[in-house]
Amino acid sequence: AQTVTQSQPEMSVQEAETVTLSCTYDTSESDYYLFWYKQPPSRQMILVIRQEAYKQQNATENRFSVNFQKAAKSFSLKISDSQLGDAAMYFCAYGRDRGSTLGRLYFGRGTQLTVWP
Amino acid sequence: NAGVTQTPKFQVLKTGQSMTLQCAQDMNHEYMSWYRQDPGMGLRLIHYSVGAGITDQGEVPNGYNVSRSTTEDFPLRLLSAAPSQTSVYFCASSSGLAGGKQYFGPGTRLTVT
Repeated sequence: AQTVTQSQPEMSVQEAETVTLSCTYDTSESDYYLFWYKQPPSRQMILVIRQEAYKQQNATENRFSVNFQKAAKSFSLKISDSQLGDAAMYFCAYGRDRGSTLGRLYFGRGTQLTVWP
Repeated sequence: NAGVTQTPKFQVLKTGQSMTLQCAQDMNHEYMSWYRQDPGMGLRLIHYSVGAGITDQGEVPNGYNVSRSTTEDFPLRLLSAAPSQTSVYFCASSSGLAGGKQYFGPGTRLTVT
């Protein structure tokens, strides 16, 4: 079974600084997708960024970027120029668009990010 | 488009009561899922469906039933609520493409006393 591990239950960063959240995963598949979801206190799950495993180039979305190391099965999220609104729980997730696990995601346990003014 | 809607947003049950959490999506997605979120545990899959009439169990299915009679609706039933089912429940839907990118409902906070 696929497992996703987030080893940092909590992280903190000063406003305007950069922070990196870690994620590792375990899979025997070569084609898959990885996601970072943000969950603010409103509880809504918001997709931050998505990475296709077949792409070598790391995904970026404005201040958010990933460091995808396929061989090491590592998928970290970097937040640059942190803002107070970035404070939230962040979940790493794994999914596929084929095979028996199509239509479901596997989540890590989350990292609670605090942003200090 | 309303996206994925869930009702109710909050619910308090007594042990042994039954109830149904409603979930609907208007994106014509084939795939729908129910997750529960507990502190320190992330989101865990309860049940999912790959289309109308087809459902399957996820990681934590015990105590929950589902059915999928239409593409739009995917209700989750608690037959006899237990305190261990106190959690936040999310419904999600997906087209099955784009790596399973999922669209989430706003969640239901359920407390069983």
